[in-house]
Amino acid sequence: AQRVTQPEKLLSVFKGAPVELKCNYSYSGSPELFWYVQYSRQRLQLLLRHISRESIKGFTADLNKGETSFHLKKPFAQEEDSAMYYCALGDQFYFGTGTSLTVIP
Amino acid sequence: DAGVTQSPTHLIKTRGQHVTLRCSPISGHKSVSWYQQVLGQGPQFIFQYYEKEERGRGNFPDRFSARQFPNYSSELNVNALLLGDSALYLCASSRASGDGYTFGSGTRLTVV
Repeated sequence: AQRVTQPEKLLSVFKGAPVELKCNYSYSGSPELFWYVQYSRQRLQLLLRHISRESIKGFTADLNKGETSFHLKKPFAQEEDSAMYYCALGDQFYFGTGTSLTVIP
Repeated sequence: DAGVTQSPTHLIKTRGQHVTLRCSPISGHKSVSWYQQVLGQGPQFIFQYYEKEERGRGNFPDRFSARQFPNYSSELNVNALLLGDSALYLCASSRASGDGYTFGSGTRLTVV
């Protein structure tokens, strides 16, 4: 079955600390993976996609096919990073349940 | 550009009724997808259309249908509404398959 798992519903870190939001997937074939972010009272928006290997707002994510993971990382968390983060698989057919990140000042 | 626009923003329907939700994609975007999001869950895929043809369908009953028009706008129709259909319905568009999606702000449907 094709599935995205985000094991943490809630994650709190202190400002300036590293942050890692976990995403594991199950997919037959070559996966397309994305991270979306939803700030308070805003629309869901694309953060980054694995195919472009970019860094957006200091966040990076590496596709690890051996571990079937696509974890989102940032070395130094900022208060403005507090938001809901969703991992998505395929042509965005499958979304995880999301992780709510809170950065404590 | 106004982004992806959805209408209406909120509506209340009675069980058994029918509802039509509308979506206008960003200009130049030919792919439109629909999602259902209930509280505490991620978006659940309902349909994807590209160039007016259905490209994908999620695990939803036949009461759910959609279509895409020549101007790439789209409608989602739900017949015989159930209480469990109460949710936020999101529309998203992209230029092509594999690109990231731009989401609308959604239609909040309440079935009573």
